[in-house]
Amino acid sequence: EAGVTQFPSHSVIEKGQTVTLRCDPISGHDNLYWYRRVMGKEIKFLLHFVKESKQDESGMPNNRFLAERTGGTYSTLKVQPAELEDSGVYFCASSLTAEQYFGPGTRLTVT
Amino acid sequence: DQQVKQNSPSLSVQEGRISILNCDYTNSMFDYFLWYKKYPAEGPTFLISISSIKDKNEDGRFTVFLNKSAKHLSLHIVPSQPGDSAVYFCAASSWGSSNTGKLIFGQGTTLQVKP
Repeated sequence: EAGVTQFPSHSVIEKGQTVTLRCDPISGHDNLYWYRRVMGKEIKFLLHFVKESKQDESGMPNNRFLAERTGGTYSTLKVQPAELEDSGVYFCASSLTAEQYFGPGTRLTVT
Repeated sequence: DQQVKQNSPSLSVQEGRISILNCDYTNSMFDYFLWYKKYPAEGPTFLISISSIKDKNEDGRFTVFLNKSAKHLSLHIVPSQPGDSAVYFCAASSWGSSNTGKLIFGQGTTLQVKP
């Protein structure tokens, strides 16, 4: 069974540009989560989808971040325009129950 | 407001001995606790979990203990192996009592197992 995949693995963009991260969850997992780890600190929750619906957006930093999960399969997280403080590793996770399975992450560097 | 805390940034143990990683939480609404292992440049890997209705869960070399009155949990690894060297994250959720299973993570503890 394929695990959670994320694309790209690494992205370097300039401040003010737009970046879109993609997450493909484990097949059949209705729950999809986005997390972020900034500068070696703790991993922080961003948002939670149940199928195509946003269940909890309480962790989204601001309106420069937009997440979608059309059709309830893969999800995208767009940052527009990117700021320096958005740099970090963005993780996606999926689950059927309480145990979440994480992807390898996308390392975003904003210069 | 750090709801999940791992107060030991690092731990070093000898191969074959026991590793004990600790985690404290403050929110009494948490009802599910998980441990993840993370290697550099990889995502967290699920290790073991425990529901708040239990006080112990065992899976091979890994055992998690939960003390609800103290709001404390620990992960025991016996025997420790060099391949266990990684960063270990404790996480908590309110899976059973809320409409979201979002995980709240501790800061992580770096375990080094020496041959």
